[in-house]
Amino acid sequence: EIVMTQSPVTLSVSPGERATLSCRASQRISNDLAWYQQKPGQAPRLLIYDASTRATAVPARFSGSGSGTEFTLTISGLQSEDFAVYYCHQYYKWPGTFGPGTTVDVK
Amino acid sequence: EVQLVESGGGMAQAGRSLRLSCTASGFSFGDFGMSWVRQAPGQGLEWVGFIRNKAYGGTTEYAASVKGRLIISRDDSKDIAYLQLNSLKIEDTAVYYCTREGQYCGGDRCVPQGHMDVWGKGTTVTVSS
Repeated sequence: EIVMTQSPVTLSVSPGERATLSCRASQRISNDLAWYQQKPGQAPRLLIYDASTRATAVPARFSGSGSGTEFTLTISGLQSEDFAVYYCHQYYKWPGTFGPGTTVDVK
Repeated sequence: EVQLVESGGGMAQAGRSLRLSCTASGFSFGDFGMSWVRQAPGQGLEWVGFIRNKAYGGTTEYAASVKGRLIISRDDSKDIAYLQLNSLKIEDTAVYYCTREGQYCGGDRCVPQGHMDVWGKGTTVTVSS
C-alpha cells in the first residue's frame, strides 16, 4: 500500500495570505494525485486532480503542482471560506490512499 | 444537478450486517465507476471499496481492512450503488460517503481517471456492542 503523508499538520494563515500545503507519497505515483477540501460537517469536495488540474468551479486561487513523490497545493490570497481540512489522495495504485490531512486555520 | 444521496445508515449491533444505498441523479450512472469512502469520528478519510462500470467489467476492489466482509454492487437500471458490510465491528463506526469516479472524455470515449469528482453528503453508521 502506498502511504501518503502531509505537512504541516496545521497551518495558521491570515486572510489574504498564501498557504502552501505539502503531500508526499511513499513511492512514485506519476501525477495520479487529487486534493480535496473538507469543511466541518460537510463532505469532501474535489479541488485538484492529476496533480494540477482544477476541478469544475474551483477558483483560480487554488493551484496544484508536483509529480513522482512530492506534491504541493497552493492557495493564493486565502479567503474566509478556505479555512478547512485538505486531504491528498493517490489513485496510481489500488488501494487508493489518503493523506492524514492538513488543517488550515485562522492566524 | 449531479447528485449522490446515501441512505441506510443508523445504529447497528456488532456482528450484524448493514446495507447502504447510494442513489444517483443528474448523470448517466451506468457510465461511471463508484467508490465508498468512510470517515471515523474525528479521523481522516479511508477508501473502502470500488465498483467499475459495466464497460470495464463491473468488477470490484476492496480495502484490506474490510475484505471478506464487504460487498459492493450496483443496479444500473435504478441508478443505485450498494454497500453491504457483514460481521460489523465497533471500528466500522463512521460516516460513509458514496463517490463518483472522475473521467477524461475525448472524442466519443471516456476513460476512468481514479479521482473522486462527486461526493454524497454521507450517511452515519454507529456500531455498538
